[in-house]
Amino acid sequence: KQEVTQIPAALSVPEGENLVLNCSFTDSAIYNLQWFRQDPGKGLTSLLLIQSSQREQTSGRLNASLDKSSGRSTLYIAASQPGDSATYLCAVSIQGAQKLVFGQGTRLTINP
Amino acid sequence: EPEVTQTPSHQVTQMGQEVILRCVPISNHLYFYWYRQILGQKVEFLVSFYNNEISEKSEIFDDQFSVERPDGSNFTLKIRSTKLEDSAMYFCASNFGGSSYEQYFGPGTRLTVT
Repeated sequence: KQEVTQIPAALSVPEGENLVLNCSFTDSAIYNLQWFRQDPGKGLTSLLLIQSSQREQTSGRLNASLDKSSGRSTLYIAASQPGDSATYLCAVSIQGAQKLVFGQGTRLTINP
Repeated sequence: EPEVTQTPSHQVTQMGQEVILRCVPISNHLYFYWYRQILGQKVEFLVSFYNNEISEKSEIFDDQFSVERPDGSNFTLKIRSTKLEDSAMYFCASNFGGSSYEQYFGPGTRLTVT
């Protein structure tokens, strides 16, 4: 059974810092990995999708990497801003299934 | 930019009542999903739907749950007899081609069962 874990559960940093969020998964048989942002009481906004054949994807200040063999992904946020404060979720799409399996998220707070 | 929409944003119901949650997926998408998130917990998969039938469902999706695509635009989740533990945020999602494609999520419906 695929399990997805995100560390740390919460992170608070001052504005302007570069930071890394971690995601690990137990079964490397995945189609892809998605990073989402969730604001309190709101829906999920897709940030980046990395296919299993890819090593990384970039969108603006965000860079996500994938090491499928070790079951790890990182989300790098450059020059953090208060508006980046949210919960960040990673989810994997597993082979032979339609569903996404989610981690519990990292709650990020950027302090002005 | 096309987006998934959901109605209502918040639904309050009494235990034992039937509720229908509605979703309008992105128009050219072919795969539709329901997930739920109990407060403070992980987002959990409920069901996927393709070509007018359920393609996968989780253990949570028991006989109390059903899904339907009544017309060319709407996708609904029905809970026949709600329980207190059904209180959660319910998210609809859609994508174009199944597992290898990005899933796009709606804003969610918060269901409160009293």
